[in-house]
Parts: sequence; structure tokens; C-alpha cells
Amino acid sequence: KAGVTQTPRYLIKTRGQQVTLSCSPISGHRSVSWYQQTPGQGLQFLFEYFSETQRNKGNFPGRFSGRQFSNSRSEMNVSTLELGDSALYLCASSFLSGDLEQYFGPGTRLTVT
Amino acid sequence: DQQVKQNSPSLSVQEGRISILNCDYTNSMFDYFLWYKKYPAEGPTFLISISSIKDKNEDGRFTVFLNKSAKHLSLHIVPSQPGDSAVYFCAATETGTASKLTFGTGTRLQVTL
Repeated sequence: KAGVTQTPRYLIKTRGQQVTLSCSPISGHRSVSWYQQTPGQGLQFLFEYFSETQRNKGNFPGRFSGRQFSNSRSEMNVSTLELGDSALYLCASSFLSGDLEQYFGPGTRLTVT
Repeated sequence: DQQVKQNSPSLSVQEGRISILNCDYTNSMFDYFLWYKKYPAEGPTFLISISSIKDKNEDGRFTVFLNKSAKHLSLHIVPSQPGDSAVYFCAATETGTASKLTFGTGTRLQVTL
């Protein structure tokens, strides 16, 4: 069974631009969560999607948004990029919303210059 | 406000000895705790968990201890092996929003020969 895949793996963007990251969960998993990892803050929860609906949301500004498609694939969008958005963005999937064991992808490394 | 803290950014242990990784939390609503291990260029992988109704959980070489009154948990690895060298993250969550994990900043464990 294939694991969680994230594309692209690396991305360089300029301040003010926007970016879209993609996550394909493990087959059969319907919940996708997104996390931001930075050296100073560690891993921080962004949001969770289940059955195309946002179920939980972390404390991030509205520039961070996401969506989920009917095949459970999810995208995350960051608009008006700031230098501080440089981070590793991780996606995790689980069978149902509320499942404690989540399976993480390798992440997308975003660098904002 | 860091609700989950791992105060030791790094730890070095000799092969065969015990590794003890510590984690403190402040939110008394947390009732489930997890440890994840992360290798470079990979996403975190689930290691072991514990519910707040228990004070100990074992899985092979890994044991997690929970002290609710002190809001403290620890991960013991016995015996430590070179392949255990990784970054270990402590995470916590509340029943009802279980997909929303709150992570510590991680402890880098190096197991030396």
C-alpha cells in the first residue's frame, strides 16, 4: 500500500506570491491534516479535512487555506507569501476524522525569498 | 504559548544504554499522548501512545510513562540502538479533536557506538 505522497517536495517562491501544495492520502483514508514545521515553533497544526469539509483549524491567518476533493486528495494554499512562511509543510492522513494514529508524508519544503 | 514542551533539544546516549526523553504539557484537557520519530527527509512516524487513564505503556524496547499530576511524560528506549538516532516528537491531543495534534519542538537523539 502506497504511503502519503506530497508534491512538490521542494519549492522556492518570492514574497507576495501564492503557492499551492498537494497531498494524496493513503488509499482508503478520508481524513487529511496539514502541519507546518519550523525550527522555532516545531510542528503546528494548520487544519484537517474530512469528506471534503474542514473539521478542525489551527491558529493561522486566513492566508492559509485548504480544500479536499472527492477522492480525498487535499491541497493547501498560502497567499501573499511572507518570509516567515518558509517551512516544511507536512500532510498526514488517517482513515477517519478523530483517528489518533496519523500517517505523515515526507513534506514539502517551501522557501520564500 | 507552547502547550507541549521538550526542554532538551538534543541527547546523546551510548549504544545499549537507556535513552530517556522528556516532555511536559500545560493543557489539562489533553487526554491522549503520542511519540513520533522523524528521520531526515521523511515525515514523522508513529512510535507509541498512552491514554490519560494509564500511567505506563510498553511496546518492545519502548515504554512511555505518564505522570498526570506533574503533567509530564517520558519515553524510555532500552536498549538504545544506533538506528534509534532520530528526532523524537512528543504530541498531545484531546478527545473530540483527536486529529489536531499539538507537538513539542522535538529532541534529537544520537546513539553512539
